Amino acid sequence: QQQVKQSPQSLIVQKGGISIINCAYENTAFDYFPWYQQFPGKGPALLIAIRPDVSEKKEGRFTISFNKSAKQFSLHIMDSQPGDSATYFCAAIHTGTASKLTFGTGTRLQVTL
Amino acid sequence: ETGVTQSPTHLIKTRGQQVTLRCSSQSGHNTVSWYQQALGQGPQFIFQYYREEENGRGNFPPRFSGLQFPNYSSELNVNALELDDSALYLCASSLGRAFDEQFFGPGTRLTVL
Repeated sequence: QQQVKQSPQSLIVQKGGISIINCAYENTAFDYFPWYQQFPGKGPALLIAIRPDVSEKKEGRFTISFNKSAKQFSLHIMDSQPGDSATYFCAAIHTGTASKLTFGTGTRLQVTL
Repeated sequence: ETGVTQSPTHLIKTRGQQVTLRCSSQSGHNTVSWYQQALGQGPQFIFQYYREEENGRGNFPPRFSGLQFPNYSSELNVNALELDDSALYLCASSLGRAFDEQFFGPGTRLTVL
C-alpha cells in the first residue's frame, strides 16, 4: 500500500523557473513531512521539512506548502538552477513510532540552461 | 564529524546466495535504520536498531535480518537472495529511540543474477 503518492515522475524546468512537486498522503497519523534531495551515487539528504500545524515553510529558494484538510503538500523551488538537478523525494513519518520514513516514489528534476 | 559510511559500494550475487552489508553510523548516533531502494522507486523501510535491539520492522520477510554492534555499527543480512532483491540498500543513522533526523549513507548497490 503506497501511503505517500508523489507527482510528477519527472520534471524539466528552465534555469530561473519554478519547480513544483506534489505529494499526497493517506495516513492521518503522520505528523512530520520532510523532503529529501538525492544525487546519483549518493544517499538522500534532508532538504526541508514541515509539521502539519504550519501551512508554509520557506528556507532560501525552497518552500513547502501544506494543506492538512486535503492531505497534500508540495515543494516549490524558486529560481531553479542546474545544480538543483536531482531526484526529490517527499516523505512522511509518525514521530510517535519507530522512525520509519515513508517515502514517495520520487521526482527526477532536470534544470536546463 | 564522520558521516555514515557503507560497504561494499557494489556487490553482485547469484540467486539463492546470502549477503551481508555493513554500515558505520555517524559519530554520536545510536540508532540505525535500513532501507531498500529499488530502481526508480523511493526507499522502503526494512528495520531499525536502537542500542543493539530491533526497534521496528517494515514489510520484509524474515530472510532480511540485522544486527547492531556495541559501537552502533550495523549489518544487514539477506538470505536466499531473489532477483527482486536487486536494489540500492541505504543505511541511515540518528540519535535516540524517538524520532530524530536521519542521515543517510551513500548506499550499497546489490545486483542479484
